Amino acid sequence: SQQGEEDPQALSIQEGENATMNCSYKTSINNLQWYRQNSGRGLVHLILIRSNEREKHSGRLRVTLDTSKKSSSLLITASRAADTASYFCATTQVAGNQFYFGTGTSLTVIP
Amino acid sequence: DVKVTQSSRYLVKRTGEKVFLECVQDMDHENMFWYRQDPGLGLRLIYFSYDVKMKEKGDIPEGYSVSREKKERFSLILESASTNQTSMYLCASSRSLNEKLFFGSGTQLSVL
Repeated sequence: SQQGEEDPQALSIQEGENATMNCSYKTSINNLQWYRQNSGRGLVHLILIRSNEREKHSGRLRVTLDTSKKSSSLLITASRAADTASYFCATTQVAGNQFYFGTGTSLTVIP
Repeated sequence: DVKVTQSSRYLVKRTGEKVFLECVQDMDHENMFWYRQDPGLGLRLIYFSYDVKMKEKGDIPEGYSVSREKKERFSLILESASTNQTSMYLCASSRSLNEKLFFGSGTQLSVL
């Protein structure tokens, strides 16, 4: 069963704008991760945030985690055409033994 | 650089054939996973393994089996391929659930 749900399902923006994607989950988590997938390829890890962290940065990426709302957001600042991809959140549960993925957000950055 | 290698990028098989999808990782990871990905459904876990010769069912194991005879290799087997198994198959490995997953490039399987 899937743990995370991303919102929106699809997002189209102009180059240079910021892109925000959200992820909601259902049960208590150990950590939440964001992955990127270019069309027809495997997923690549972007960032991991632990349940006791609220915010994390990596380059143009900013991830927030609100465990009270069971949600996370991924912000990509100053987007580029090369950021066009699908983005997935994945969680591991406190009493779980696997990674749970959402259905993803498809981001299109228009040059 | 760490690597997860899947044996084929594209595969075309006939209904009823036995299909082997191979995955090899070079990171000495304990955990290995097989997912299938279909449009609108995200990634769904088929099987995973935490150790050699150990396997656990994921969310959609029906019609699949796995083999892990060596730590670095995790094979997915379609015993008798069917058209509804046409999909992208992704292998991944990790050191633990508290660390990131490394994915292979995926195998696009078409069953005709």
